[in-house]
Amino acid sequence: DGGITQSPKYLFRKEGQNVTLSCEQNLNHDAMYWYRQDPGQGLRLIYYSQIVNDFQKGDIAEGYSVSREKKESFPLTVTSAQKNPTAFYLCASTVTGTGDEKLFFGSGTQLSVL
Amino acid sequence: GESVGLHLPTLSVQEGDNSIINCAYSNSASDYFIWYKQESGKGPQFIIDIRSNMDKRQGQRVTVLLNKTVKHLSLQIAATQPGDSAVYFCAEVTANQFYFGTGTSLTVIP
Repeated sequence: DGGITQSPKYLFRKEGQNVTLSCEQNLNHDAMYWYRQDPGQGLRLIYYSQIVNDFQKGDIAEGYSVSREKKESFPLTVTSAQKNPTAFYLCASTVTGTGDEKLFFGSGTQLSVL
Repeated sequence: GESVGLHLPTLSVQEGDNSIINCAYSNSASDYFIWYKQESGKGPQFIIDIRSNMDKRQGQRVTVLLNKTVKHLSLQIAATQPGDSAVYFCAEVTANQFYFGTGTSLTVIP
């Protein structure tokens, strides 16, 4: 089945620790996105990538880093510089250039601080 | 309708009734709009979309209406079922950038 897989489902971070959230898609989508979701708020864009080996900061990139070495994979690292990392993180992907760009989302990762 | 803030708008409907969820968007240049459904602890699921050159689009039990004059989007769910209980939010799309509303929490009363 085609889709987007995020792992792990739940993740706990200790103070001063970096953690990496995985996102893999087999939809052959060029563009991939990371969003943060806090209770009662809309999705906020952290980083996005339109093509392999290129990515752009979103609205709340501070304290996060990404890489896009393969088309299928777009991991997100939450660094120790992110002082309030507790949130639900969503990865998404879409085709580009078709005029039919609808985001497909993964099932999310809930990150909590120990 | 949707708004920016810490508290989600809520809507409670009786099972079998129709539901109407509203969304105000800001960018008159947006060329595409999408409605998503998000159940607790899960990722958003695509429901229906509409292009800016359309006023109405129908799917299975759902209809989206677009009023560009007042920059307003609505989602109508016919014969609402308990499985429809979720948070619904709209997205406006411009040049591969997606802008999301905060969502409306729909509760279906059996």
